Amino acid sequence: KQEVTQIPAALSVPEGENLVLNCSFTDSAIYNLQWFRQDPGKGLTSLLLIQSSQREQTSGRLNASLDKSSGRSTLYIAASQPGDSATYLCAAFGNQFYFGTGTSLTVIP
Amino acid sequence: DTGVSQDPRHKITKRGQNVTFRCDPISEHNRLYWYRQTLGQGPEFLTYFQNEAQLEKSRLLSDRFSAERPKGSFSTLEIQRTEQGDSAMYLCASSFRGGYNEQFFGPGTRLTVL
Repeated sequence: KQEVTQIPAALSVPEGENLVLNCSFTDSAIYNLQWFRQDPGKGLTSLLLIQSSQREQTSGRLNASLDKSSGRSTLYIAASQPGDSATYLCAAFGNQFYFGTGTSLTVIP
Repeated sequence: DTGVSQDPRHKITKRGQNVTFRCDPISEHNRLYWYRQTLGQGPEFLTYFQNEAQLEKSRLLSDRFSAERPKGSFSTLEIQRTEQGDSAMYLCASSFRGGYNEQFFGPGTRLTVL
């Protein structure tokens, strides 16, 4: 069974700082890996999807990388803003779909 | 609004009652997924459909749970004889097979079983 782990569970940074969120998975037989943002009590918002054949994807201040061989993905957020405060979830998609427990990010003004 | 919609947004029920939730996917999406999320946890996969066919079911989907997508458009998730442990957020997502299968989520239905 696929296991997805996200470290750290919580992170607090001052505004303007660059930061990296980590995601690791145990089964490299995935089709793609997707990063989401979730605000309290809300659904998930898709941020980036990386296909299994890709190494990274970028959208604005966000950059996600994927290393299937080591079972790792990172989400890099540049120049963090208070509006970035949320829980960030990664999900590994193969024949079934497994999410990590998320990293709760607080950006302090 | 052309996103994924779910109805109702909140449901409070008494233990032992049956409940049904509805999900309307993005119109051109042929895959539809159901997840359950409890506080502080990531979503847990329940099942997914490609068109009207139910292709995968998690072991979490006990006999009390049933999902349908009869015409390949909207889907329903029914929970029979609800238990307090069923209290959770039920999330629906959809994607387009043939693209990158990027999943787009609805706002969720929060179920509280008293």
